[in-house]
Amino acid sequence: NAGVTQTPKFRVLKTGQSMTLLCAQDMNHEYMYWYRQDPGMGLRLIHYSVGEGTTAKGEVPDGYNVSRLKKQNFLLGLESAAPSQTSVYFCASSYPPNTEAFFGQGTRLTVV
Amino acid sequence: EDQVTQSPEALRLQEGESSSLNCSYTVSGLRGLFWYRQDPGKGPEFLFTLYSAGEEKEKERLKATLTKKESFLHITAPKPEDSATYLCAVQLGGATNKLIFGTGTLLAVQP
Repeated sequence: NAGVTQTPKFRVLKTGQSMTLLCAQDMNHEYMYWYRQDPGMGLRLIHYSVGEGTTAKGEVPDGYNVSRLKKQNFLLGLESAAPSQTSVYFCASSYPPNTEAFFGQGTRLTVV
Repeated sequence: EDQVTQSPEALRLQEGESSSLNCSYTVSGLRGLFWYRQDPGKGPEFLFTLYSAGEEKEKERLKATLTKKESFLHITAPKPEDSATYLCAVQLGGATNKLIFGTGTLLAVQP
């Protein structure tokens, strides 16, 4: 049972480049989330999805886009990367209601 | 504004020295409070869920409690392998199941 898998684990981008982070879960969870984690800031919600074909904005959505075409996958896109997007990105999934979220291992992204 | 605050930011204990971590919150509607453990370079790992004031949960050397304004994570006779960052998160009511995280407490247990 793989749980939540994030791809890639590490990436270095140049300012202005684009990329897509992939999150895949095999637990048949309805809800999926993208967070970023920065020192002293805690985990902050970027976007989330409450089911296949749905997406919604979290606390810090600017500069990111998401898609949930399949229930098991949640993609996070950066169209034009900026140094401020240097962070560790975590994907999570949960089966509502009132249940814990399971996290992936994270993607460390550096924008130079 | 919904907010979750954890204290202390960092805590250093000797092996066997018991202590408590605090998570205080101000939110418009609490659905649940979660404790996670995070090891360096890894994603958060679920520990406990608490739903109502007065509730307690235990797992090995850890015990989590909840009041109307805060939660405590009590660590009894800690071991070096308990060293990690402990995160508290509050789940809001409504359709989003959104989690708001605190910034965590970095715990170091020295042998």
